[in-house]
Amino acid sequence: GENVEQHPSTLSVQEGDSAVIKCTYSDSASNYFPWYKQELGKGPQLIIDIRSNVGEKKDQRIAVTLNKTAKHFSLHITETQPEDSAVYFCAAPSIGSGDKLTFGTGTRLAVRP
Amino acid sequence: EPEVTQTPSHQVTQMGQEVILRCVPISNHLYFYWYRQILGQKVEFLVSFYNNEISEKSEIFDDQFSVERPDGSNFTLKIRSTKLEDSAMYFCASSEEKLGSGSPLHFGNGTRLTVT
Repeated sequence: GENVEQHPSTLSVQEGDSAVIKCTYSDSASNYFPWYKQELGKGPQLIIDIRSNVGEKKDQRIAVTLNKTAKHFSLHITETQPEDSAVYFCAAPSIGSGDKLTFGTGTRLAVRP
Repeated sequence: EPEVTQTPSHQVTQMGQEVILRCVPISNHLYFYWYRQILGQKVEFLVSFYNNEISEKSEIFDDQFSVERPDGSNFTLKIRSTKLEDSAMYFCASSEEKLGSGSPLHFGNGTRLTVT
């Protein structure tokens, strides 16, 4: 099955700075890598995802990069704002086992005003 | 924008009691899931459901758990005899296509289950 590791577990940045969260995965057959944002008391909300046929995807202040050779992918948030403060989870599917998303352990991001 | 809705938002039950958690997935979605999150920990897969049957389940999803799609809109998770360690947030999710195709998973806001 898939094993997803995520770092760092906590991240504190000054408003306006960039934040980078990194994940590694184990299943080389994985082909889809979503990132979720979870605010207090709410469910995970998909913020960006990338498929294995591209190396980078950007959506306004958020970008994801994928290195298939090294089996890692990263979330980049530029010009951070206080409302970016949340827990962020990466995930990867276990292709061999079907319909299961394996999540990383989460990164608590705090943006200091 | 369509969303996954879950009820109740919070359920308190006594150990040994049965609970049913309810979900209404997004209407055109065909794949349904339950995940859980113990306080402060990561989100863990419980079960996936497609075409009226379970397609995959985790080790957590033992004989005390069952899922059902009783009609065209609801998707339920039943825990037959709750244990203290079942206390967690339970998230329902749905997707339009199979996960490996890149179809995104959409989550509800969860039901907080507290077993006393």
